[in-house]
Amino acid sequence: NAGVTQTPKFQVLKTGQSMTLQCAQDMNHEYMSWYRQDPGMGLRLIHYSVGAGITDQGEVPNGYNVSRSTTEDFPLRLLSAAPSQTSVYFCASSYTGLAGTDEQYFGPGTRLTVT
Amino acid sequence: QQQVKQSPQSLIVQKGGIPIINCAYENTAFDYFPWYQQFPGKGPALLIAIRPDVSEKKEGRFTISFNKSAKQFSLHIMDSQPGDSATYFCAASIWGATNKLIFGTGTLLAVQP
Repeated sequence: NAGVTQTPKFQVLKTGQSMTLQCAQDMNHEYMSWYRQDPGMGLRLIHYSVGAGITDQGEVPNGYNVSRSTTEDFPLRLLSAAPSQTSVYFCASSYTGLAGTDEQYFGPGTRLTVT
Repeated sequence: QQQVKQSPQSLIVQKGGIPIINCAYENTAFDYFPWYQQFPGKGPALLIAIRPDVSEKKEGRFTISFNKSAKQFSLHIMDSQPGDSATYFCAASIWGATNKLIFGTGTLLAVQP
């Protein structure tokens, strides 16, 4: 299993540009989430999904859109990039249903710089 | 408002020492408390987790201590090694909604040889 994969690894955008961060998992996990990591602030939840066709907002959803058309994929779209969106983005997946198996598996991250 | 407060921000110990990282939470509905370990350039990985029905959980050299009345929990690393040098994050969530973790701000641990 490849686990959770994210592309690209690095990206530089100009203010106002749009782009999609890709996330895929091959573990047949129901739950997927997007977090952003900023220095001194830990990881903050952007959006999450509990299954195909179902998404919801996390702590910091403004400026981001998500969709979940398949179990495997959960792309994150930046509509109009702003310098405040400069961050490292992590996708995570998890399977909830059995006691003790709520571990979230994180991808390697995408480092995004908006100039 | 930081729902999970973590301290210290950074920590330096000698090999064999016992670093302790502390976290405090506010939401009494939280009932799942994991610790994640992150190496540079990598995503976080689950290290150990605890539910409030026990006050302590140990896995290898890593121990979580949990104080429900004080709404605090801590990570102890026994016989720390240079390979333990990493950033450690505490987190909290409601059981059953553990895909919606609230993270602390992280502790950068350096274990000197």
